[in-house]
Amino acid sequence: AQSVTQLDSHVSVSEGTPVLLRCNYSSSYSPSLFWYVQHPNKGLQLLLKYTSAATLVKGINGFEAEFKKSETSFHLTKPSAHMSDAAEYFCVVSDQITGGGNKLTFGTGTQLKVEL
Amino acid sequence: GAVVSQHPSRVICKSGTSVKIECRSLDFQATTMFWYRQFPKQSLMLMATSNEGSKATYEQGVEKDKFLINHASLTLSTLTVTSAHPEDSSFYICSARDPGSYQPQHFGDGTRLSIL
Repeated sequence: AQSVTQLDSHVSVSEGTPVLLRCNYSSSYSPSLFWYVQHPNKGLQLLLKYTSAATLVKGINGFEAEFKKSETSFHLTKPSAHMSDAAEYFCVVSDQITGGGNKLTFGTGTQLKVEL
Repeated sequence: GAVVSQHPSRVICKSGTSVKIECRSLDFQATTMFWYRQFPKQSLMLMATSNEGSKATYEQGVEKDKFLINHASLTLSTLTVTSAHPEDSSFYICSARDPGSYQPQHFGDGTRLSIL
């Protein structure tokens, strides 16, 4: 069984300040972890992924996330927020054991608001 | 460009009608496609896994006769909402797995379904 908990449903930051979106996971096996972004009425775009290689993962648009097994966390960060970062962010876990389709389990999402 | 095309992007229809949503993989063959439903301000819920040439696998609680899935070719899966009612109004998103890609799934831009 696998699950994902996104600790904050809403995060508000000022433009130019750091972003932290928190995610904790639970998985019976070695997980693959992802962060996706969704803009209004759009599908999901992959920001970054972790698959048991380097624990610090760099993604697109300046985002990065660190896999911490001891804390079962995979928090998403960005040093400086931009207005265009305002969107919904999903932390996602995939249990590699399921095979044949990489079934994904989504967190409940964090709405990021960026203010001037 | 987009690797998964979903059509239509928005549909409004009367209660009792059936609505078909198409999901096409572009530039790759997808033996497995996924259909998700997303309620406002909520996460994506997997409805079913669509397998080319065989029956779809539905998640618990999803009515097979209500949500008909057909995956007749390696690039096309369709979801038909039969005898739609207002409670079926939602945002439906498809995704497709590209075995040659580092991404677990590529997502379409979604379909906003509104039943009057």
